[in-house]
Amino acid sequence: QLQLQESGPGLLKPSETLSLTCNVSGGSISDSTYYWGWIRQPPGKGLEWIGSIYYTGSTYYNPSLKSRLTISVDTSNNQFSLKLFSVTAADTAVYYCADGLQWYGDYFVWGQGTLVTVSS
Amino acid sequence: SYELTQPPSVSVSPGQTASITCSGYTLGDRYVCWYQQKPGQSPVLVIYQDTKRPSGIPERFSGSNSGNTATLTISGTQAMDEADYYCQAWDINTGIFGTGTKVTVL
Repeated sequence: QLQLQESGPGLLKPSETLSLTCNVSGGSISDSTYYWGWIRQPPGKGLEWIGSIYYTGSTYYNPSLKSRLTISVDTSNNQFSLKLFSVTAADTAVYYCADGLQWYGDYFVWGQGTLVTVSS
Repeated sequence: SYELTQPPSVSVSPGQTASITCSGYTLGDRYVCWYQQKPGQSPVLVIYQDTKRPSGIPERFSGSNSGNTATLTISGTQAMDEADYYCQAWDINTGIFGTGTKVTVL
């Protein structure tokens, strides 16, 4: 059964780079059925779509984050990653990785989520 | 920018039907999916491609989408269905989540 697990630092200072990795187990990240996505949720607020990647490396980014965002895939290690540059307090959120049938959603399997706090 | 609007809250008695709407311009021209999220947990997909239920999702969950409104219906609502619900669709170059609806089972 497919499982996803996020990993990365939980505390950052303003202007630093947020780097998260999602490890995929129980299946192959090269499965052509799925897109691999990142979603975040600020404390007490709703879900926000960050972006997604296909195993070929094709990426889809939220226009509001595009200038600070890079999503990449590592098929040899069965994982994909997110980098968000120049973070501010507004980037404080629980970050989820997920697999989806569509580039924008239909996310069937989600990671447990990881809280990233941006504070000086 | 494109927005998906949901009512902030819906209340329902056990055994009754809850309907959660998601409104957006020409939403019926796009596929919509729905997620359930309980406190402290990751979201769970309950409906995708407007009407399809993933394996393991009870039959009491159903979806529809037409015109400017998609609807998630929970028939015979149970206490365990109390949660936040989010619709999701797409706009040009981006995925979009609805504003979210808190369903309370009284």
